[in-house]
Amino acid sequence: DGGITQSPKYLFRKEGQNVTLSCEQNLNHDAMYWYRQDPGQGLRLIYYSQIVNDFQKGDIAEGYSVSREKKESFPLTVTSAQKNPTAFYLCASSTDRGLVYGYTFGSGTRLTVV
Amino acid sequence: EDKVVQSPLSLVVHEGDTVTLNCSYEVTNFRSLLWYKQEKKAPTFLFMLTSSGIEKKSGRLSSILDKKELFSILNITATQTGDSAVYLCAVDDNDMRFGAGTRLTVKP
Repeated sequence: DGGITQSPKYLFRKEGQNVTLSCEQNLNHDAMYWYRQDPGQGLRLIYYSQIVNDFQKGDIAEGYSVSREKKESFPLTVTSAQKNPTAFYLCASSTDRGLVYGYTFGSGTRLTVV
Repeated sequence: EDKVVQSPLSLVVHEGDTVTLNCSYEVTNFRSLLWYKQEKKAPTFLFMLTSSGIEKKSGRLSSILDKKELFSILNITATQTGDSAVYLCAVDDNDMRFGAGTRLTVKP
């Protein structure tokens, strides 16, 4: 079955550590996205990529980094520079920027800083 | 400032009730408005609306867009406990902007 897989589902990080969240899709989608979801707030865009080896900053890119070496994979690194990293992170993918079928979302990773 | 505002933020109803969820927006280059249902983790796609006044239906769910007044509504009739979820509205204006969501709880 085609889909988008995020791992791990739960992640605990000590302050000062970098962590990498995985996102893999086998939908042959060109575009991939990372969102952050906090309680009472809408999804906020961190980074997005519309093609391999290219990505753009979203609204809240500070303290995060990404890579897009393969079409299927779009990992997100939460660096120690991110001041408030505890959140729920959603990865999504789409064809043609989701103009027809919207986005397909992964099941998310809940990151907690301890 | 571009924004998407959903109301109410939360709603509790009983099975069989009909609910209306609201989404208003202010964006520069409107392309489409999308509704998603988020039950536990991953939002699932419900509707995409691009034209005013054309209702989209899927079972007990329906949605309509008013591009003049800049809002959309999502209706759910004869609600069931399985409709309990967060309903997200998003507007595509070259960037995808999400509202904060409406948390719907349907009690037996």
